[in-house]
Amino acid sequence: ETGVTQSPTHLIKTRGQQVTLRCSSQSGHNTVSWYQQALGQGPQFIFQYYREEENGRGNFPPRFSGLQFPNYSSELNVNALELDDSALYLCASSLAQNEKLFFGSGTQLSVL
Amino acid sequence: AQKVTQAQTEISVVEKEDVTLDCVYETRDTTYYLFWYKQPPSGELVFLIRRNSFDEQNEISGRYSWNFQKSTSSFNFTITASQVVDSAVYFCALSDGGSKLTFGKGITLSVRP
Repeated sequence: ETGVTQSPTHLIKTRGQQVTLRCSSQSGHNTVSWYQQALGQGPQFIFQYYREEENGRGNFPPRFSGLQFPNYSSELNVNALELDDSALYLCASSLAQNEKLFFGSGTQLSVL
Repeated sequence: AQKVTQAQTEISVVEKEDVTLDCVYETRDTTYYLFWYKQPPSGELVFLIRRNSFDEQNEISGRYSWNFQKSTSSFNFTITASQVVDSAVYFCALSDGGSKLTFGKGITLSVRP
């Protein structure tokens, strides 16, 4: 158990819809990162939030956006869903920006 | 750009065998960090080790050991006397010190009783 919880665990959406995924960080962790893991691939960095500000972004389009709240929980929003967005979305928290990451179990998103 | 190559995709061993998982990385940074994570079927990535680029000492933790060689840009992971519970996908990853990790494609390890 890493103390990082994600909801929901599974989600099915149709192409063009919007989705919000949620993450609760481990207590005391002020940094949260989101990763996308396609089937059979390693996780790919989407972005990181530090003290409610985006602080680093991977090669993902603007329709992937996020929020971090004062309690350091976080949301990942994806607009205009595409079939290729089907993946496991992993949230990770850390004590600081360069400390080791603690991952949640992920949200499995299927886009039909 | 950073890159991690895990050339092995699937490995199957019988319990109690030793197994080595290979990892080769590319980076232009002089300071960087290398990681291994384990992903069981539950999906959660479990942290195993972090090593910085200035520390080339090999590390042993129980049945796990890691061999870091800057000369060959490799960070290999050995499980001694494997057990069925070691069955999982193992990822090697690289970072420049921030939260952006570059992962390899992973190695699926199956340990048969």
